[in-house]
Amino acid sequence: AQTVTQSQPEMSVQEAETVTLSCTYDTSENNYYLFWYKQPPSRQMILVIRQEAYKQQNATENRFSVNFQKAAKSFSLKISDSQLGDTAMYFCAFMKFNTDKLIFGTGTRLQVFP
Amino acid sequence: NAGVTQTPKFRILKIGQSMTLQCTQDMNHNYMYWYRQDPGMGLKLIYYSVGAGITDKGEVPNGYNVSRSTTEDFPLRLELAAPSQTSVYFCASKPGQGDSYEQYFGPGTRLTVT
Repeated sequence: AQTVTQSQPEMSVQEAETVTLSCTYDTSENNYYLFWYKQPPSRQMILVIRQEAYKQQNATENRFSVNFQKAAKSFSLKISDSQLGDTAMYFCAFMKFNTDKLIFGTGTRLQVFP
Repeated sequence: NAGVTQTPKFRILKIGQSMTLQCTQDMNHNYMYWYRQDPGMGLKLIYYSVGAGITDKGEVPNGYNVSRSTTEDFPLRLELAAPSQTSVYFCASKPGQGDSYEQYFGPGTRLTVT
């Protein structure tokens, strides 16, 4: 069975600074997808970024980028130029290829301070 | 498009009562999902459906039932509510396998069983 571990329950960062959220996962699969979801206080789940395991290049979406280390089974999220609106819970998620089912980690609560 | 809508937003149930959580999507998505999110935890899959008339169990199906008579609606039924079912429930949808990997989430229903 696949598991997703987020070892940082809470993180904080000052506005405009950079922060990295950690995620590790356990799987014997070779083909899969990894995701970071943001859940602000409104509770709405918002997809931030996704990575296909077969792609060596790390995904980037504006201020958000990932460091995907397949051999180490590590998938960290870097947020650059942090903004107050980035304050939220962040969930790492795994999906085995062709299953369409997400497995979530327990989340990291990020607080951005002015 | 309204996206994925859920009703009600909040509900308090007494132990042993039953209720149905409603979920509707107007994006003509084939795949629909129900998750629960317990305090301090990630989302766990309860049931999912790959199309009208087809449903399957997820990770935590006990105590719940679903049906999918139309593409748009995917109600979740709780029979004999228990305190362990106190949680936030999220519905999500996705166009189909291989069409897109992003699941679109509803705003959630906060359920308390006392």
